[in-house]
Amino acid sequence: DSGVTQTPKHLITATGQRVTLRCSPRSGDLSVYWYQQSLDQGLQFLIQYYNGEERAKGNILERFSAQQFPDLHSELNLSSLELGDSALYFCASSVVQTGELFFGEGSRLTVL
Amino acid sequence: QQQVKQSPQSLIVQKGGISIINCAYENTAFDYFPWYQQFPGKGPALLIAIRPDVSEKKEGRFTISFNKSAKQFSLHIMDSQPGDSATYFCAASGSGTSGSRLTFGEGTQLTVNP
Repeated sequence: DSGVTQTPKHLITATGQRVTLRCSPRSGDLSVYWYQQSLDQGLQFLIQYYNGEERAKGNILERFSAQQFPDLHSELNLSSLELGDSALYFCASSVVQTGELFFGEGSRLTVL
Repeated sequence: QQQVKQSPQSLIVQKGGISIINCAYENTAFDYFPWYQQFPGKGPALLIAIRPDVSEKKEGRFTISFNKSAKQFSLHIMDSQPGDSATYFCAASGSGTSGSRLTFGEGTQLTVNP
């Protein structure tokens, strides 16, 4: 158990819909990262938050947005969903001093 | 350049053999090079990591070899076991006071046959 909690674990929805994925980082970790992993693909960085502020942005679509709340949990919002958005979405939190990322078990999104 | 190139894409090894996965990077600002192991249905988990001040790091059956001048690093799994069958990702990041995102390689699917 990495200590990073993601909900929901599985989500099935239709094209055009909007979903919200939730992440609770490890206790004490201020940085939260979101990654997308499509079938047979590597881990694509989406966005990083540190203590409530956006710190880095990767290949995140304009239809996607995220935020980190004062209690440090984070949400990834995916809107106007397309079939190609079907993927595993991972959240990770980090120990700043070591650089190690701890990943949750992911939210599997299926868009039909 | 933020890319990290990983090879091979898949690898099949017999039990007891040596598994070798290679990665190359371009950004000389990278100073942290971890390897992550991912089992089906699970999130990636840190296996072993190295910083460029050393050329090799060993933890049990797992060894990272690092070549700074060539901008390459590799993972060696000695005495490979069926339980090692998983997807392995190399990654790299730079330093940052607020933490730095990892740039991952494409992954290697390792199968260890009994």
